[in-house]
Amino acid sequence: EAQVTQNPRYLITVTGKKLTVTCSQNMNHEYMSWYRQDPGLGLRQIYYSMNVEVTDKGDVPEGYKVSRKEKRNFPLILESPSPNQTSLYFCASSPNRDTSNEKLFFGSGTQLSVL
Amino acid sequence: AQKVTQAQTEISVVEKEDVTLDCVYETRDTTYYLFWYKQPPSGELVFLIRRNSFDEQNEISGRYSWNFQKSTSSFNFTITASQVVDSAVYFCALSDGSYIPTFGRGTSLIVHP
Repeated sequence: EAQVTQNPRYLITVTGKKLTVTCSQNMNHEYMSWYRQDPGLGLRQIYYSMNVEVTDKGDVPEGYKVSRKEKRNFPLILESPSPNQTSLYFCASSPNRDTSNEKLFFGSGTQLSVL
Repeated sequence: AQKVTQAQTEISVVEKEDVTLDCVYETRDTTYYLFWYKQPPSGELVFLIRRNSFDEQNEISGRYSWNFQKSTSSFNFTITASQVVDSAVYFCALSDGSYIPTFGRGTSLIVHP
């Protein structure tokens, strides 16, 4: 089944403890991205990647890192999480680099709570 | 800079009522794409429709219809004869090739039985 898989689904951590949220897609998509969803703010893009080893900042990249060493994987790394990073996170992918005309395929989300 | 405004934060209707969700956008590009996504209570995001800036033809899919008007920069979504299963948060999004699609803040639709 074609899908974007995120793990974990729920995560509770403490301030400063490094964590990684994994994202994997099995559709051979070139484009992958991370979003955070906060009440009243909609979805905001954190980072995106157009291909292996090519990543760039979205609208809200502060406090996050990503890597794209393989086409299928795009992990989101929080080196030192803070409470303001408590949010619902979504990974998304799209077939081509030019995403302007492509729909996004979303993972099922990761609810992160930083205490 | 691109911008998407969904002025309706929450809409509450009774089943079988028609409801329209508004979406107003801003972009300087002449080529762009508009999208609607649905987020049911289970939390996943589901693609509903894509429309390019050169195609102003309205679209109907079952009880769902979309009205795209470039003159008013709007891409409104209407649900006819709403059902409880339509209860969800709906997001309008704009993409103009900048690799950073812009989403609206979402409209929460509550359909009461």
